[in-house]
Amino acid sequence: QQQVRQSPQSLTVWEGETAILNCSYENSAFDYFPWYQQFPGEGPALLISILSVSNKKEDGRFTIFFNKREKKLSLHIADSQPGDSATYFCAARETGGNNKLTFGQGTVLSVIP
Amino acid sequence: AQTIHQWPVAEIKAVGSPLSLGCTIKGKSSPNLYWYWQATGGTLQQLFYSITVGQVESVVQLNLSASRPKDDQFILSTEKLLLSHSGFYLCAWSLWGAGQNTLYFGAGTRLSVL
Repeated sequence: QQQVRQSPQSLTVWEGETAILNCSYENSAFDYFPWYQQFPGEGPALLISILSVSNKKEDGRFTIFFNKREKKLSLHIADSQPGDSATYFCAARETGGNNKLTFGQGTVLSVIP
Repeated sequence: AQTIHQWPVAEIKAVGSPLSLGCTIKGKSSPNLYWYWQATGGTLQQLFYSITVGQVESVVQLNLSASRPKDDQFILSTEKLLLSHSGFYLCAWSLWGAGQNTLYFGAGTRLSVL
């Protein structure tokens, strides 16, 4: 059972466009949603995160929009750059857990110059 | 500054052979430690976590074991590798407590079982 789903599986945008990566979840007990960026052959690195009490979080070109009622969130990457080409994972943490993160399947983003 | 070091960087092993992967965290006292597994092109799955020396909890059964012999060291091992063990193994750490949410990953170990 996939508790965190991401779409699309892969996304190609032109440099300068806004890339939109989607994520949905099923478990109402999830309260923290980080997005991780992973380059080939490297470990994932935290990009931006949001708590379920917020509906928006911005950090430079990266913005998370969160809809608790619909159990959906999205990552918007404005002014996409070729260096943003990577795999992006949406993850979710359950309240009171061991800090265990449940990861989605990832979205592979390619930014064409 | 905190650093996380995984070894080896890559391994090629035969089915049925033993395996030991290591992870060391420097610059943080008593971190939570985690082992994750990632299939090629796949998602990340938590295998083990540890909140203190000598205490390890298994999250999923994959014929692997983990140990925490020191506060800053986490070991993943098995006596008999399976083909299904191939993949990318990632060690991670976090701090414990309210608001301490971030997982910090190491560079990973690429394992190929032939």
